[in-house]
Formats: sequence, structure tokens, C-alpha cells
Amino acid sequence: EMQLVESGGNLVQPGGSLRLSCAASGFTFSSYSMNWVRQAPGKGLEWVSYINNIGSGKDYADSVKGRFTISRDNAKNSLYLQMNSLRAEDTAIYYCVRKMKNWGQGTLVTVSS
Amino acid sequence: DIVMTQTPLSLSVTPGQPASISCKSSESLLHTDGKTYLNWYLQRPGQSPQLLIYEVSKRFSGVPDRFSGSGSGTDFTLKISRVEADDVGVYYCMESIELPWTFGQGSKVEIK
Repeated sequence: EMQLVESGGNLVQPGGSLRLSCAASGFTFSSYSMNWVRQAPGKGLEWVSYINNIGSGKDYADSVKGRFTISRDNAKNSLYLQMNSLRAEDTAIYYCVRKMKNWGQGTLVTVSS
Repeated sequence: DIVMTQTPLSLSVTPGQPASISCKSSESLLHTDGKTYLNWYLQRPGQSPQLLIYEVSKRFSGVPDRFSGSGSGTDFTLKISRVEADDVGVYYCMESIELPWTFGQGSKVEIK
């Protein structure tokens, strides 16, 4: 059974950094593009970032461009999101999503002083 | 960026009755490869979103056949033929024809 398990969410001060991880299992991770999608409390869904299956192609929402970096380690079946210069508006549940079809359970990031 | 607009934003449905949600995109979602990239998701209360429909009308694995998708170009519809209690939640449409992918605002379905 395929699984996506996010971790790394935490309370962080504005301007701080955080690294999210997503551990994949139950499928050939290196064959699939991956995404991060977030959901602010009580709000809708926002696509954040994309990476192709080999890590050579990446894209970001304008709201995070220049601050967030997506990466993957196919040998470790893991997806990452490095989040720098965090702002209050980055507060959200962050979901790891395989090919916009299969979703993890999410990890909560709270940016507050 | 493509703007996705859903209507209605909330609906209350009697169990066993049909329900329908509309999604309109600001640009055509028909790709040069001949496919139309429109997905529908359901987010049940307290859960992660789950894919229901992809490429307008293809049901994802395990999705009951009471869910159906239709439409073309810029106008799309999700229909539930007979609403059940388990269908409660927020439904989102999403375009994946070009990055940045964008979602509709969400349509909340409640049971009467």
C-alpha cells in the first residue's frame, strides 16, 4: 500500500526556517513527480511547489518563490521542502502529494512570535 | 494564472437526492495532447483531500460510480447521483494544464 508521511512541521518565529520531509513507501518513488500543497487554517487549497521525478524540473507558487526550495532524494524515497524567511501567512497544513493524485496526512507549520 | 470559480459555495442535500457543483476556468483546460486537465477532490472533515475525478470524467481508484464528472473547455460539472452521509465535506476543482496549478474556492456539501 502506498504511503506518504510528512514530518517536520513546528512552531517557528517569523523570519525563521523549517525543513519539511515526506517519506514515501509502497511505490517506485523515483518514477513520480511530487508536489507540496498547503491549506491555511479554515481556508482552501494552495499548490506550493512541484518537482519532476528526477529532480531536474522544479516550480514554485509566486507566494513562496525565492524563499522555499523543493528537493528529493530518490535513494531515500524522500521529498523535502526547505522553508526560509517564514511569514505569518505561511501558517498552514502542508501536504505531500504524488502526481496530484495521492495525498499524505499533512504536517502543521505555525509561524508566530 | 488560471482562475477557477466554483458554484455554489455551499449546498445542503437530502440523502438519496442528486447534487451538482459547477467549476469554470478562466482559460481552456484542453491541452495540445488532446486531454483536458481538470480534477475534482473531496476533503472530508478533519481529513486530507482525496482525488475523485481526473481529466474531467475519469473516476480515480475506489471512487463510487455515483460520482461523475463532465464538461469541456472552460465549463465543468461534478455530479453526485444519490448523496450519502459519507459525501459530506468540501469539494474542490483544480486545473493542472499549466503551472502554477490552481484550485477553486471549494464547495461545502452538507446533509439536510
